[in-house]
Amino acid sequence: TQLLEQSPQFLSIQEGENLTVYCNSSSVFSSLQWYRQEPGEGPVLLVTVVTGGEVKKLKRLTFQFGDARKDSSLHITAAQPGDTGLYLCAGDSGTYKYIFGTGTRLKVLA
Amino acid sequence: KAGVTQTPRYLIKTRGQQVTLSCSPISGHRSVSWYQQTPGQGLQFLFEYFSETQRNKGNFPGRFSGRQFSNSRSEMNVSTLELGDSALYLCASRFGQLNTEAFFGQGTRLTVV
Repeated sequence: TQLLEQSPQFLSIQEGENLTVYCNSSSVFSSLQWYRQEPGEGPVLLVTVVTGGEVKKLKRLTFQFGDARKDSSLHITAAQPGDTGLYLCAGDSGTYKYIFGTGTRLKVLA
Repeated sequence: KAGVTQTPRYLIKTRGQQVTLSCSPISGHRSVSWYQQTPGQGLQFLFEYFSETQRNKGNFPGRFSGRQFSNSRSEMNVSTLELGDSALYLCASRFGQLNTEAFFGQGTRLTVV
């Protein structure tokens, strides 16, 4: 069974702090997506990473795909309350079952 | 262009009843996937339809079914509802198949009492 394990599961930090969320698997993924979901809403796509070692930046968010394409990380610099939400990684390892990670629930306190 | 539209947003049903949820994908997208989201299990893949054909199915009982119409709109049906079916059901629209970026609707919150 493919699994995408995310850590930490919960994170509560003060505004202005930095944080990193990890997404790990034993399977190789052709690409990985990161989403953010707010309560009562559907996930919203943040980024797609495709190439091993790739780094993408979206304002204060930095996404990295592992060299072996089995893991990814999301780093947020100077977190703001607007960053609060559930962060999900997701991907298809080639078996045509698009799977989501276990999720990281982030709360940024003002 | 319009996003993914799911109807209804909220639904309350009784155990044993059946329910049909609807999803209209982004115009031009031919793939629709369905997911069940619960606090305990996270986001679980139900099935994917592409050009009216079911391309893949997750590990859910046969009470969960779906279909896709020629205009790419999709419906999912759950028969003989159980309390454990209470969840947020999400529909994702893709231009291609599963390995392309997904755009989600707001979901249908189903409560089974």
